[in-house]
Amino acid sequence: ETGVTQSPTHLIKTRGQQVTLRCSSQSGHNTVSWYQQALGQGPQFIFQYYREEENGRGNFPPRFSGLQFPNYSSELNVNALELDDSALYLCASSLAGRPETQYFGPGTRLLVL
Amino acid sequence: RKEVEQDPGPFNVPEGATVAFNCTYSNSASQSFFWYRQDCRKEPKLLMSVYSSGNEDGRFTAQLNRASQYISLLIRDSKLSDSATYLCVSRDAGGTSYGKLTFGQGTILTVHP
Repeated sequence: ETGVTQSPTHLIKTRGQQVTLRCSSQSGHNTVSWYQQALGQGPQFIFQYYREEENGRGNFPPRFSGLQFPNYSSELNVNALELDDSALYLCASSLAGRPETQYFGPGTRLLVL
Repeated sequence: RKEVEQDPGPFNVPEGATVAFNCTYSNSASQSFFWYRQDCRKEPKLLMSVYSSGNEDGRFTAQLNRASQYISLLIRDSKLSDSATYLCVSRDAGGTSYGKLTFGQGTILTVHP
């Protein structure tokens, strides 16, 4: 196991609602990245956090936002959910000096109806 | 054009076969390259890094050609347990996307008895 945990494992929401997904990084890892994986596609980079600051962002609208806490746990918030937001959301943690080694959590499956 | 493109597959091979996956990338500034493996409904896991000199890990051989921006993975003596989706991945060189992983869409491999 990678030591990265995510909650919840599954979630069903309706269009327009808001959702918060949580990630607990592997011990000592101070960088966390979030990815969205639609069915049949590879994961897509949403954003990365380092020392509680956003440190890079992919091509996602502002309604996707995040937080990183002093203990390096993290949240992904999505407002005004759309049907296309249905996907597997993955977080990955790494050490700042070792970005090539990212450990993925098991993901949260979000279904938007 | 996608930044990382893979053979769409799926590949369906008998046990003991040799199978090769190809991948191309468009961002010449990409610094590092990897192959990840993803089992059904699970998170991606690092299979191996890819170097210009080529690298081998047991039955798996990966190769990078920076001039043609081409990456390959060769699996020899396929096992049933090799059945999974194989993801070709690049990592950005730095700046605001430091540590960002860019995934291909993945190639499904099924090894049958």
